Amino acid sequence: AQSVAQPEDQVNVAEGNPLTVKCTYSVSGNPYLFWYVQYPNRGLQFLLKYITGDNLVKGSYGFEAEFNKSQTSFHLKKPSALVSDSALYFCAVRDREAAGNKLTFGGGTRVLVKP
Amino acid sequence: DTGVSQNPRHKITKRGQNVTFRCDPISEHNRLYWYRQTLGQGPEFLTYFQNEAQLEKSRLLSDRFSAERPKGSFSTLEIQRTEQGDSAMYLCASSLGGNAQPQHFGDGTRLSIL
Repeated sequence: AQSVAQPEDQVNVAEGNPLTVKCTYSVSGNPYLFWYVQYPNRGLQFLLKYITGDNLVKGSYGFEAEFNKSQTSFHLKKPSALVSDSALYFCAVRDREAAGNKLTFGGGTRVLVKP
Repeated sequence: DTGVSQNPRHKITKRGQNVTFRCDPISEHNRLYWYRQTLGQGPEFLTYFQNEAQLEKSRLLSDRFSAERPKGSFSTLEIQRTEQGDSAMYLCASSLGGNAQPQHFGDGTRLSIL
């Protein structure tokens, strides 16, 4: 079985400050990990993924994420948040050894960046 | 790359009616997925196609739900005898082959059951 936890329902940050959105995962084998962002009444937009290799992954719009196998975490970060980063963020996992191809998503974290 | 297209964007129907949604994936993507998202929740997997073959179905996909991808291009999701609990956003995604490939999502069809 695979699962994702996003412990914070909402994160508030001032514009220009660093932004962190937390994610922990559980898989039987090794994970593929993904971050998506969702704006109101829109679908999910892919930000970045971890497959293997370097634990620090860089993605779109200045976002990055750090994979930590010992803590089973994949936290999303941005050094300097923009008001336009205000949205709903989802972490997702797929067990690379498992049969099937589904993504399991966390419950989402709403990010509010205040000017 | 024109993106994943879903139609209609919104559907309002009475309980007990049948509804059908359409998804047009990114043209070179051979994998297509359907998810359901309720308010304040993450998307939940419903089913997955590789080309025209439906390879995986979630337990969430009751007998009233059926999905097809007849020519390995567009897909339809039909819900028969709709119930109040079917109200949700239905999201379609597509990807290239390979489990490490990211899924690219459409903007969804929002279903409201009166």
